[in-house]
Amino acid sequence: GQNIDQPTEMTATEGAIVQINCTYQTSGFNGLFWYQQHAGEAPTFLSYNVLDGLEEKGRFSSFLSRSKGYSYLLLKELQMKDSASYLCAVVYNQGGKLIFGQGTELSVKP
Amino acid sequence: DSGVTQTPKHLITATGQRVTLRCSPRSGDLSVYWYQQSLDQGLQFLIQYYNGEERAKGNILERFSAQQFPDLHSELNLSSLELGDSALYFCASSVAGHPNTEAFFGQGTRLTVV
Repeated sequence: GQNIDQPTEMTATEGAIVQINCTYQTSGFNGLFWYQQHAGEAPTFLSYNVLDGLEEKGRFSSFLSRSKGYSYLLLKELQMKDSASYLCAVVYNQGGKLIFGQGTELSVKP
Repeated sequence: DSGVTQTPKHLITATGQRVTLRCSPRSGDLSVYWYQQSLDQGLQFLIQYYNGEERAKGNILERFSAQQFPDLHSELNLSSLELGDSALYFCASSVAGHPNTEAFFGQGTRLTVV
């Protein structure tokens, strides 16, 4: 299969840093996305990694290790509006499909 | 606003019925993707069209079908509806034919089957 695993829920404090992990099957891997989705709304693009390393974009960073089948999304200086579901999605060569994980529901507390 | 338009926003229908969901992609985007999102399944890829032709197929039921028209808008047809088909259906569009580019999602159609 093409299992993509993320924690179901996480809680963090406003102003803090949180890391959301994602593991996936490496066979046929061809890129990884992170999307943010607020409840009842459309997913919006956060980041894309295809090579190993860290991609930084403002308060958000995403890391990829292709050999380990591992990625994380790092959110700094958390704000209340960051409370949302964070979706890890992997592109697989076979069929050229983008497969989403179940998402991690992040709650930011004051 | 992502530039992707989905209609209707909400749909309530009875079991056994057929519905059509519509999606207009962002201007210039050639690819349209359909996803189903239910509480217990997460975001499931259904099907992709690129410039009018089917490009990739996911976990789409035989009761479901889709097409992309010459003006690039797309329709997802769901027939013989069951209670379990109740979900949020998203359409997304991107400029390229492969999924390695950012996709822009519409606001979704919430389908309730009663």
